[in-house]
Amino acid sequence: DTGVSQNPRHKITKRGQNVTFRCDPISEHNRLYWYRQTLGQGPEFLTYFQNEAQLEKSRLLSDRFSAERPKGSFSTLEIQRTEQGDSAMYLCASSLRGANYGYTFGSGTRLTVV
Amino acid sequence: GENVEQHPSTLSVQEGDSAVIKCTYSDSASNYFPWYKQELGKGPQLIIDIRSNVGEKKDQRIAVTLNKTAKHFSLHITETQPEDSAVYFCAATLSESSASKIIFGSGTRLSIRP
Repeated sequence: DTGVSQNPRHKITKRGQNVTFRCDPISEHNRLYWYRQTLGQGPEFLTYFQNEAQLEKSRLLSDRFSAERPKGSFSTLEIQRTEQGDSAMYLCASSLRGANYGYTFGSGTRLTVV
Repeated sequence: GENVEQHPSTLSVQEGDSAVIKCTYSDSASNYFPWYKQELGKGPQLIIDIRSNVGEKKDQRIAVTLNKTAKHFSLHITETQPEDSAVYFCAATLSESSASKIIFGSGTRLSIRP
């Protein structure tokens, strides 16, 4: 099964440290999305890539957050100078035909900032 | 921007009974309405979707209805089973310029009582 893979599954970090998450989408999917999910809430959109181009960024994505998809395959999401409010599940999804045909999500990376 | 409201936030039904989850959306331009199921420790999984040119869609025990005029859509699960226990999210696409993304409701935690 070549679903969406996210690593690591869990990350505990101290406030102020930098963290990086990786997402490997389904291989033929050229669209990749990052979402953040806090406890008891639905996923919130962060950013969207089509191939290597970052086409949209949410206002939730402060300047401490950066995402890349250098070769149009895997993507990384980096959070610099982490804050306790960054604690959440970070979800990656990919799609072949776009949001109007649904996404396939990974299992997420749960970040805890202590 | 698009806003998706979902209720109830929690729902408990007897095994074998039906469950109904209701959502409203704000952007009349939205044209795709997926429903996702999220089990503990996993990412959301697409279970059914409906487009704006259709009023109802069924897939075995699951059905979705859409009222475009009222901007309401609903998920109906019949003959509920223990494995239906999960968090369910309604969603709608918001298409802007060349990008589109899915906006999620806040979720309904469904519990099936044996």
